[in-house]
Amino acid sequence: RKEVEQDPGPFNVPEGATVAFNCTYSNSASQSFFWYRQDCRKEPKLLMSVYSSGNEDGRFTAQLNRASQYISLLIRDSKLSDSATYLCVVYLNTGTASKLTFGTGTRLQVTL
Amino acid sequence: ETGVTQTPRHLVMGMTNKKSLKCEQHLGHNAMYWYKQSAKKPLELMFVYSLEERVENNSVPSRFSPECPNSSHLFLHLHTLQPEDSALYLCASSLKGTANRAYGYTFGSGTRLTVV
Repeated sequence: RKEVEQDPGPFNVPEGATVAFNCTYSNSASQSFFWYRQDCRKEPKLLMSVYSSGNEDGRFTAQLNRASQYISLLIRDSKLSDSATYLCVVYLNTGTASKLTFGTGTRLQVTL
Repeated sequence: ETGVTQTPRHLVMGMTNKKSLKCEQHLGHNAMYWYKQSAKKPLELMFVYSLEERVENNSVPSRFSPECPNSSHLFLHLHTLQPEDSALYLCASSLKGTANRAYGYTFGSGTRLTVV
């Protein structure tokens, strides 16, 4: 099983739609979670941090389900500018080492 | 200048060349990272520097050699690379995480490297 798994998409949605992405992680001891967005040929940029059960920022809501080991990202009222790849990222500190593990990303295309 | 700055943006080098990638951050962060991003693969962590000390080397070949002279600067020295090393190399910085929590990373724009 991959450490962080995402549906690669692409998700093609019309403007104004609500879209949800799921991400599963394999290590139940993982401690922090993030969503990044990456535009084509650009660097990843932090979208949201998820430390407890969830986080909301405007049109974006992230939820964490530790029992099922998944994180979701909900985007409401999609805009054309939301078109990007969304990366799920998981942090694990074992005491001797710590690392962020990135998923391969889910591509979103918002259309008129 | 703010944020994380990487130079050069693009680099083409022969397999016998020696070059260096440079990363600079002015965010007051105390941890810096090198990542490699290849097509259709997740970001791969290469090196971690925390408080200017290398704390992680993710089984990276010795033809990649990092250097962190201070908390604001990070270099990646390259020599005798292979064509399969062609990728986007991303530098990132953050505040050093605690046992239970990591802080979000700020990435530079990356260096797109082509080895011919």
